[in-house]
Amino acid sequence: GENVEQHPSTLSVQEGDSAVIKCTYSDSASNYFPWYKQELGKGPQLIIDIRSNVGEKKDQRIAVTLNKTAKHFSLHITETQPEDSAVYFCAAIIYNQGGKLIFGQGTELSVKP
Amino acid sequence: GAGVSQSPRYKVAKRGQDVALRCDPISGHVSLFWYQQALGQGPEFLTYFQNEAQLDKSGLPSDRFFAERPEGSVSTLKIQRTQQEDSAVYLCASSRQSSGNTIYFGEGSWLTVV
Repeated sequence: GENVEQHPSTLSVQEGDSAVIKCTYSDSASNYFPWYKQELGKGPQLIIDIRSNVGEKKDQRIAVTLNKTAKHFSLHITETQPEDSAVYFCAAIIYNQGGKLIFGQGTELSVKP
Repeated sequence: GAGVSQSPRYKVAKRGQDVALRCDPISGHVSLFWYQQALGQGPEFLTYFQNEAQLDKSGLPSDRFFAERPEGSVSTLKIQRTQQEDSAVYLCASSRQSSGNTIYFGEGSWLTVV
């Protein structure tokens, strides 16, 4: 089955710096890769996603890149702000196999003012 | 409602007690999922419904866990004879179609078994 590895487990940056979180997946059939942000006591909130027919997607300060050959994808946050502090999860899914998202272990991002 | 709604938000159960967790998906969403999230971990898949049909229950950890969605809308996750290892956040999620659509999560039900 699919396995998703996520690094680093914790990341501390200064406000205004960039943050990068990396994930690798094992099943080459996976073709949809969402990223979720989870704040304390809340459910995961989708922040950006990418499908396997696209190599990069950007939404304001957030971007995701996908390398299908290497089976890895990354989240990039530019101009970080204190409100970006949260736990971020990557996930992978095979598009036509229901909702069995496989999540990474999470990255706790701390943005220091 | 505007989002996935779960109740109760917090539940403390004595070991051996049965609990029922409710999920109201986003209106019109065909697919509904249950995930379990242990402290400091990523969510782990439990089960998946398409309308009222339970298509995948491979993630349910034991036969003490049971989920239903009898009318294809509201779903209930039931845990019988709770054990301490059942303590976790139980997340419900829904999506508009059977596959290939954004999956939206609720705030979760925090279960503590004492």
